[in-house]
Amino acid sequence: GQQLNQSPQSMFIQEGEDVSMNCTSSSIFNTWLWYKQDPGEGPVLLIALYKAGELTSNGRLTAQFGITRKDSFLNISASIPSDVGIYFCAGQLISQFYFGTGTSLTVIP
Amino acid sequence: DAGVTQSPTHLIKTRGQQVTLRCSPKSGHDTVSWYQQALGQGPQFIFQYYEEEERQRGNFPDRFSGHQFPNYSSELNVNALLLGDSALYLCASSTLQTSGRALSYNEQFFGPGTRLTVL
Repeated sequence: GQQLNQSPQSMFIQEGEDVSMNCTSSSIFNTWLWYKQDPGEGPVLLIALYKAGELTSNGRLTAQFGITRKDSFLNISASIPSDVGIYFCAGQLISQFYFGTGTSLTVIP
Repeated sequence: DAGVTQSPTHLIKTRGQQVTLRCSPKSGHDTVSWYQQALGQGPQFIFQYYEEEERQRGNFPDRFSGHQFPNYSSELNVNALLLGDSALYLCASSTLQTSGRALSYNEQFFGPGTRLTVL
């Protein structure tokens, strides 16, 4: 299957700091999605991106669809304790969605 | 508007047994995809159902099978369970839409998952 490389694998930050994580692929995707997953629950959609170069915000979250269509990044500004969780990128190719390996975020109050 | 629902929440089985997991998609969605998520990993695509047929399949053995009903709900069946089948099984729903000449799937929404433990 398609391989999505997500980095960093884990992050420990102070409350109030900004966070940046990214996802790269060897394949071109039609859609990029970013999800947050809390322990024992299903992933929750944060942002969906549909066009190369697209920059989309959702509150303190901003994500971009890379120009090459092989990468995407997610930024979180002014982190708060409830941002803790695992963030996954996902790329859509034809009708399948492929997930990255996840970034575990810990916010220290 | 109900989101994606899954049942049961948790399930414990022994090796060799069979299991059936159930999913109801979000209102207005007609496509259901199933994923397996092992501990510490990202979700891995099992298969997708649309119009009551399996449309896409990931790299999973035939022990994994599914079904979609006319009301778009879906079941995932796993036969001859192995210890390695222990995982969180996620259902995601979406809808197919047309954009110009291209067919594309709208973003997926996930259910809370079923935690399967095989002893």
